Amino acid sequence: EVQLVESGGGLVQPGGSLRLSCSASGFTFSSYAMHWVRQAPGKGLEYVSAISTNGGNTYYADSVKGRFTISRDNSKNTLYLQMSSLKAEDTAVYYCVKVGPKSKNYFDYWGQGTLVTVSS
Amino acid sequence: EIVMTQSPATLSVSPGERATLSCRASQSVSSNLAWYQQKPGQAPRLLIYGASTRATGIPARFSGSGSGTEFTLTISSLQSEDFAVYYCQQYNNWLSFGGGTKVEIK
Repeated sequence: EVQLVESGGGLVQPGGSLRLSCSASGFTFSSYAMHWVRQAPGKGLEYVSAISTNGGNTYYADSVKGRFTISRDNSKNTLYLQMSSLKAEDTAVYYCVKVGPKSKNYFDYWGQGTLVTVSS
Repeated sequence: EIVMTQSPATLSVSPGERATLSCRASQSVSSNLAWYQQKPGQAPRLLIYGASTRATGIPARFSGSGSGTEFTLTISSLQSEDFAVYYCQQYNNWLSFGGGTKVEIK
């Protein structure tokens, strides 16, 4: 059974930093690109960042470019999102998501999400 | 960036009735279109990919159609557990989500 379990969310002050983790199991983690998608309270889904299977290629939404860094450790089956210079508008539930077969960028499995609240 | 527009924003339907949700792309996305269902407090769940292929375990009452710029998600006979928010997502040119359609009980 595929499982994605996020952790690391919490309350942080504007300008602060936070690192999210996503522990993956039930599939060959190193064979799939992985993404982070977020959802602000009461709002829709927003793509945040993506990373290739070996970590050599990364992608960011314009809204987080230069502030967030995605990475992965295939030996630990874990995905990360390092967030810095956080703003109030980064407040959201952050989901770790697995891409579908054949590297198609739709998401067949989602974690339960971790809430990040940026507030003073 | 491809902009995805969903309509209507809210759809009021009685249990047992058919629901038809629309998703329009600002440019062609071929058949690279997925639909997700999200219930309150839960993560989204994949329903449809490739515009018309049901994901594993998705009931046959859910069907997707369309290609290019116009897509439809149809729920043939709404069950109580189907009242939720539905999102479309294109993955032809990187990826982008629609704003969602809330299906509520009439």
